[in-house]
Amino acid sequence: EVQLVESGGGLVQPGGSLRLSCAASGFTFSSYWMHWVRQAPGQGLVWVSRISNDGNSTSYAGPVKGRFTISRDNAKNTLYLQMNSLRAEDTAVYYCARGAGGSYSLGYWGQGTLVTVSS
Amino acid sequence: QSALTQPASVSGSPGQSITISCTGTSSDIGGYNYVSWYQQYTGKAPKLMIYDVSRRPSGVSNRFSGSKSGNTASLTISGLQAADEADYYCSSYTSSTTWVFGGGTKLTVL
Repeated sequence: EVQLVESGGGLVQPGGSLRLSCAASGFTFSSYWMHWVRQAPGQGLVWVSRISNDGNSTSYAGPVKGRFTISRDNAKNTLYLQMNSLRAEDTAVYYCARGAGGSYSLGYWGQGTLVTVSS
Repeated sequence: QSALTQPASVSGSPGQSITISCTGTSSDIGGYNYVSWYQQYTGKAPKLMIYDVSRRPSGVSNRFSGSKSGNTASLTISGLQAADEADYYCSSYTSSTTWVFGGGTKLTVL
């Protein structure tokens, strides 16, 4: 069974940093692209970032480019999102999601971790 | 990259069919057959319902179907059931090698 478990969320002050983790199990982690998607309270889904299966290719949404860094450790079956220079508008539940092999869709999602940026 | 455009809400009675539209541009929906649809219940993680415009993942009811014409994709749910009441989001791969979601549509089963 595919499982994705996010951790690392919490309360952080504006300008601060946080690193999210996503522990994957139930599939061959190194074979799949991985994504981060966020959802502000009461709002819709917003795609954040994607990393290729080998970690050599990444892409980011405009609002986070230059502040967030996606990475992965295939030996540890773990996906990361390093978030720097955090702003109030980054407050959201952050989901990790597995790409659906052979497709550009997001086939499996974790339950999310809440990041709150506030003083 | 602007969000794809979806109606804020749609509604239908049990047994009826409803269609949710999703409008983008030639740089996303119109340029690729990589439209997907997600169902999300309040407080839960999204679930993939349709991928590559019209393909259904294993386990998803055939009451759910997808299509695309030009820059607009559509999700149709036939034989509406109370359990279908949820938020639905479309998404597309884009020419910028990014992904974009729609604003979401709240489906109410009357």
